Amino acid sequence: GDSVTQMEGPVTLSEEAFLTINCTYTATGYPSLFWYVQYPGEGLQLLLKATKADDKGSNKGFEATYRKETTSFHLEKGSVQVSDSAVYFCALMEYGNKLVFGAGTILRVKS
Amino acid sequence: DARVTQTPRHKVTEMGQEVTMRCQPILGHNTVFWYRQTMMQGLELLAYFRNRAPLDDSGMPKDRFSAEMPDATLATLKIQPSEPRDSAVYFCASGLGQPNEKLFFGSGTQLSVL
Repeated sequence: GDSVTQMEGPVTLSEEAFLTINCTYTATGYPSLFWYVQYPGEGLQLLLKATKADDKGSNKGFEATYRKETTSFHLEKGSVQVSDSAVYFCALMEYGNKLVFGAGTILRVKS
Repeated sequence: DARVTQTPRHKVTEMGQEVTMRCQPILGHNTVFWYRQTMMQGLELLAYFRNRAPLDDSGMPKDRFSAEMPDATLATLKIQPSEPRDSAVYFCASGLGQPNEKLFFGSGTQLSVL
């Protein structure tokens, strides 16, 4: 079945550092790919998405490119802030609009 | 802002008791999902409704869990009897049912079964 694998955390960075969170997927077809973010005590919010190969999703300084050849959708940000501290989930959606999530990666940004 | 509302936010109960969690999807949304989040298993899909009809509940333990949508403004998830291993955060999410769309999540119900 479909699955998503994310790098394990926690990832701890200093403010203004470069961020990469790796995500790879397994799917039978051509899924849409998403990054969701969860702040403490809250539900998940969509951060960005890409619906086809080579698409780049971007939002709030975060970017991810849909790489079909490597089945990857790595999340990047050039300069993180303390307010970016959260849990980040990579997810795919194939048939039936069901989201399949990765395990989540905790990001901690220190000032 | 339109949002998905879940109640209660927190629930502490004893093993064997019935637990009912409620979700009010965003008005006009026709898909509703129930997810369970634990440290060990991450986010697991329990059940999925479209236009109030259950489409997939394969992730839900059938012997003790049940999910329903009595009407378009209310989704319920019941556990009877509850067990300590059911302790988790339960999230409801809703959407418009469009391909590749985003889902809107509620703030979750944190359940502790003692």
